[in-house]
Amino acid sequence: AQSVAQPEDQVNVAEGNPLTVKCTYSVSGNPYLFWYVQYPNRGLQFLLKYITGDNLVKGSYGFEAEFNKSQTSFHLKKPSALVSDSALYFCASGGFQKLVFGTGTRLLVSP
Amino acid sequence: KAGVTQTPRYLIKTRGQQVTLSCSPISGHRSVSWYQQTPGQGLQFLFEYFSETQRNKGNFPGRFSGRQFSNSRSEMNVSTLELGDSALYLCASSFGTEVSGANVLTFGAGSRLTVL
Repeated sequence: AQSVAQPEDQVNVAEGNPLTVKCTYSVSGNPYLFWYVQYPNRGLQFLLKYITGDNLVKGSYGFEAEFNKSQTSFHLKKPSALVSDSALYFCASGGFQKLVFGTGTRLLVSP
Repeated sequence: KAGVTQTPRYLIKTRGQQVTLSCSPISGHRSVSWYQQTPGQGLQFLFEYFSETQRNKGNFPGRFSGRQFSNSRSEMNVSTLELGDSALYLCASSFGTEVSGANVLTFGAGSRLTVL
């Protein structure tokens, strides 16, 4: 069975500071990993995905994620946070025609 | 281009009733997936359809069903509603043709169901 874990319910960061949202995975075989973001009263929006290749994946809105096979992690990062980045972030693993989501991490960026 | 459209956006039902939710995917997308989002259980996969065929189903009781039409539009139905069915139901579409598990999903805004 595959699973992803997001150990932090909430991450607080000041605007302009770097941010990291953590995700670890448990997948047999090659993992397909995703990050999605959800704004209030909205569906999920795709940020980036890792299929194979470079361990550093660049995505939308200045976000990037680092795939680390030895640590089974796929942390989401951004060099400089914006207040508008405040939202709920989900890590997910791709399974057979479905996604398995983590529990989500709420990111709060203060001015 | 138009995104994934879900209707209705909000609805209130009482226990024992049934409900049908609709999803229109992005033009050209042949795969439609449904997810249930609740505060307690998070995001859980319900089922996925591709070209009118269900390819995968999550661990939900038989009261939850779905179908897909020839134009790729999809509906899901929940019969004999229970209080615990209150949730945000999200539909997502994709081309569905990448390696299994690698498809990028585009989500609709969801249908928020409240069961009283």
